[in-house]
Amino acid sequence: AQSVTQPDIHITVSEGASLELRCNYSYGATPYLFWYVQSPGQGLQLLLKYFSGDTLVQGIKGFEAEFKRSQSSFNLRKPSVHWSDAAEYFCAVVNFGNEKLTFGTGTRLTIIP
Amino acid sequence: DADVTQTPRNRITKTGKRIMLECSQTKGHDRMYWYRQDPGLGLRLIYYSFDVKDINKGEISDGYSVSRQAQAKFSLSLESAIPNQTALYFCATSPRDRDTEAFFGQGTRLTVV
Repeated sequence: AQSVTQPDIHITVSEGASLELRCNYSYGATPYLFWYVQSPGQGLQLLLKYFSGDTLVQGIKGFEAEFKRSQSSFNLRKPSVHWSDAAEYFCAVVNFGNEKLTFGTGTRLTIIP
Repeated sequence: DADVTQTPRNRITKTGKRIMLECSQTKGHDRMYWYRQDPGLGLRLIYYSFDVKDINKGEISDGYSVSRQAQAKFSLSLESAIPNQTALYFCATSPRDRDTEAFFGQGTRLTVV
């Protein structure tokens, strides 16, 4: 069965430090890949997406993600986090077969001064 | 006005009651989805619809039903609410093109007592 795995439930990072959030997927072919962010009490906002081409994609708010086919991964990165980045982050995929949008379980990011 | 509107935003209901959550969109998208969010479980797909005459079960459809009244409207019903249906519910829409992201409503917080 298709699945999306975010192995880190909760990550704490100091303000100004770098960040990497992990996402792995299990599908037969390369799916369409997304990262969404959910601030407290809010809906989901798209950070970035990957469909094809350059495997390093840039998103909003200074985020980027790299697609690695050999590792079935799509990790989210940011060189220097800001207190406003505290939120929950979700990796999601659309599979070619059934075209459902499937989410990982999310990673909650806490920023400390 | 928001592109994807969910009503109500908050609701408390009693066990055994029937309740309907409504979603309307002004984006002209064909595809609509209902998800529920629970802490630690991410967003799980309840039902999805790729056009007005198409309804599909997601991974957790038991205890729920849906109606696609028009391209712009997709409602979720709990025929007989139970406490473990207490959750945050999100409606989302996307166009037919796979390479475009989904857009989310602000969510409905449902509590079943």
